Formats: sequence, structure tokens, C-alpha cells
Amino acid sequence: DVKVTQSSRYLVKRTGEKVFLECVQDMDHENMFWYRQDPGLGLRLIYFSYDVKMKEKGDIPEGYSVSREKKERFSLILESASTNQTSMYLCASSFLSGNTEAFFGQGTRLTVV
Amino acid sequence: GQNIDQPTEMTATEGAIVQINCTYQTSGFNGLFWYQQHAGEAPTFLSYNVLDGLEEKGRFSSFLSRSKGYSYLLLKELQMKDSASYLCAVRDLWEIKAAGNKLTFGGGTRVLVKP
Repeated sequence: DVKVTQSSRYLVKRTGEKVFLECVQDMDHENMFWYRQDPGLGLRLIYFSYDVKMKEKGDIPEGYSVSREKKERFSLILESASTNQTSMYLCASSFLSGNTEAFFGQGTRLTVV
Repeated sequence: GQNIDQPTEMTATEGAIVQINCTYQTSGFNGLFWYQQHAGEAPTFLSYNVLDGLEEKGRFSSFLSRSKGYSYLLLKELQMKDSASYLCAVRDLWEIKAAGNKLTFGGGTRVLVKP
């Protein structure tokens, strides 16, 4: 079974804190993605990566950065958390080529107070 | 860029059929996915279309017309457990890597199945 594991289900952080969200996949996937999901807005792509140390901005990268030091791990970093970053964060992974779907982690519900 | 539209919410009766439409505008189309997401859970893959026509998988079918930028997901013999959000996602041809898998999602359609 494909497994995409996010380090936390729920997080509460204070405004201005640096926040790390971790994601690990065990299927040797090249692609990894970070999305945020908000009511009425659906899933929006923050960043994605197609290889170790490679990263590309998605549709809403402002206020976020990412790190991919190992193939299986993709971290999302909120440099200085703000209340408008309160959201559900979903990590996903997929193979680079072929008609394969993306597999999602269970999500991290982040609340910034 | 991409623009993906689907209805916000639909209600149907157990045993009935529901059709969820998705229209898209994209700069480089490389396939359309449907995902199911139950409340509080991760999205799970339902179907994939890259060529025009109908793909059938048990009670679920998905249709694609690339010339019209249109897809639908058909759910037959609805069951209570089908109450969920259904997400339409379009895969973009990505300039850097020819087989890239950048996925852009619509807002999702919440389906409520009533007894």
C-alpha cells in the first residue's frame, strides 16, 4: 500500500512562529506536492518538487518555502506564521511520468492564533 | 493558467444517479482526474481520463470531451457512503519536465445522499 505520512494531524501555533510541516512517502515517487484546502476555494497548490533539491512555485507560494533534501521527504515551512495561514495542509506524491494518480496524506489542520 | 469549475453542492436520493459536471480551461492539457474526499479525510483517486470518451469503473463512470473542455463523473445506484466531496483535477503539461504531473483542482462538489 502506498503511504504518504504527514507528521501531525493537528497543530496550533502562534503568530510569528516558524512552522515546519513534514511529509514522507514510501513509494519512491519523484513528484511531491503541498496543497492547502480552504472552504469554497478547494485545493490550491503551494509548491511542488520533481527531484531532490528541486522545487517549483505553485499558485500561492507567498509566505511559504519548502525543502527536499531526500527523495522521500518534502517539508513545508512557514517562515513567520500568520492567521491567514490557518488551513488544512495536504501533502501528495506521484511518479514523474505515466498515467499515475497522486496519493495524498491525511492532512495537517494548522491553526495560527 | 487554469480555470476549473464544478457545482458547489448536489443532493440525491439513495439508489438514484447523480452527474457531476466539470469544465476547465487550460494552457496544456495532459489528463483529468476525479477524486473522492470524505469529510476530514484525504482525497482518494476515483478515475482518470486523457482521451475523449467514457471510462467505467463499477458504479462510477467518467466522461471527457477535450474539444469542449468538459468532463462529468456519473455515480449510479447511490449509497449513503457516497456522501462526500468530489474533486475534479486537471494535469498540466509542464514545460520543465515533459511528463510533469502538476495537478490543479476545482473547488469540489459536495454530494449529499438522502435515504
